[in-house]
Amino acid sequence: QQQVKQSPQSLIVQKGGISIINCAYENTAFDYFPWYQQFPGKGPALLIAIRPDVSEKKEGRFTISFNKSAKQFSLHIMDSQPGDSATYFCAAGVGGATNKLIFGTGTLLAVQP
Amino acid sequence: DAGITQSPRHKVTETGTPVTLRCHQTENHRYMYWYRQDPGHGLRLIHYSYGVKDTDKGEVSDGYSVSRSKTEDFLLTLESATSSQTSVYFCAISESDGLSGANVLTFGAGSRLTVL
Repeated sequence: QQQVKQSPQSLIVQKGGISIINCAYENTAFDYFPWYQQFPGKGPALLIAIRPDVSEKKEGRFTISFNKSAKQFSLHIMDSQPGDSATYFCAAGVGGATNKLIFGTGTLLAVQP
Repeated sequence: DAGITQSPRHKVTETGTPVTLRCHQTENHRYMYWYRQDPGHGLRLIHYSYGVKDTDKGEVSDGYSVSRSKTEDFLLTLESATSSQTSVYFCAISESDGLSGANVLTFGAGSRLTVL
């Protein structure tokens, strides 16, 4: 019940295309859903996050879509660029407590020029 | 990396030897964390600290111990390293995002440990 299932494991998208990464969770107590972006040789960094009181949050080319009833959330990267090539992790947590944050297994995104 | 320094960045060691990884932060954050990152497992919490000498276990704490004698330093020790502890280890701090009340993790650059 504590797992966060992330798919796909890897993704290849052409420059200008839309990248979509999906995550699903079981624990209905989760109320904070961040996405982290990690470039090779670096630590993950917060990209965007959402609370379940909204169904969508957009920051630039990055959008989180949240479906509370289905217990799913997804990251959409519009107009994908080669510089977006990275590993993306979704996560879920309760009450903002970072010691309770559960991470997905990661998606390796490659955007081809 | 928000003032987080991990050392060493790379280490190769033999099975059964002790290993200590160090995380140093310069911004007086109260909370510090150690994660390990493995293919197919994402990031998993090993131990965390909520103050000097205050630590608690995470999801995968077996075989690891931690210490925090100063606010700025959080040490992760493998008393007797095993091949299953070959991984990339990340230190992190948390701070409020100032908006939603959530705490944001900021990670260091990682320490790659290979146990032969």
